[in-house]
Amino acid sequence: DAKTTQPPSMDCAEGRAANLPCNHSTISGNEYVYWYRQIHSQGPQYIIHGLKNNETNEMASLIITEDRKSSTLILPHATLRDTAVYYCIDRSQGNLIFGKGTKLSVKP
Amino acid sequence: NAGVTQTPKFRVLKTGQSMTLLCAQDMNHEYMYWYRQDPGMGLRLIHYSVGEGTTAKGEVPDGYNVSRLKKQNFLLGLESAAPSQTSVYFCASSRLRGRFTEAFFGQGTRLTVV
Repeated sequence: DAKTTQPPSMDCAEGRAANLPCNHSTISGNEYVYWYRQIHSQGPQYIIHGLKNNETNEMASLIITEDRKSSTLILPHATLRDTAVYYCIDRSQGNLIFGKGTKLSVKP
Repeated sequence: NAGVTQTPKFRVLKTGQSMTLLCAQDMNHEYMYWYRQDPGMGLRLIHYSVGEGTTAKGEVPDGYNVSRLKKQNFLLGLESAAPSQTSVYFCASSRLRGRFTEAFFGQGTRLTVV
């Protein structure tokens, strides 16, 4: 079973920041937190990962709490094309285990 | 630059029929995975492989078999299809770099068992 917890859905206005939370209270100390997204019914796409420090790349920023029990994915200026299901993922025995994710709807 | 390619993209089977789904990757990745996704659900791991000639069970392996005879290919077999196996199947591959895994996914195979 997935070891992460996310809200089932969120809305965001186009051009605003989308902040997607995730609880991963059972994550082990040396495991990364991964974020993927799935647009429509396409294959999931890697977004970002992090261990302890905050991370940023061209797609998003990742804020991880100091106790590593939760994190927030930030899309700084959401567009309509960011409408997707976002998965916060832990690894189990080296494999990515997906939960149900958060369905983000970006509205004009 | 194909990445991960799944064949076929769509298939309808009758209950009891068999079929094989093919996954091919051109990135020389060691790891390959098969997931299934049911409506409104996340992906569930069926089987995976950590290298040529090796396979292992994931979360939901029953009713499926796999083979990894060549590093670039990972085959998923259904010996006797059941309606409960109606799903979208995704293949993925990754190269483990230390503790970091970035997986690349195919576009999926939509299978309907009637």
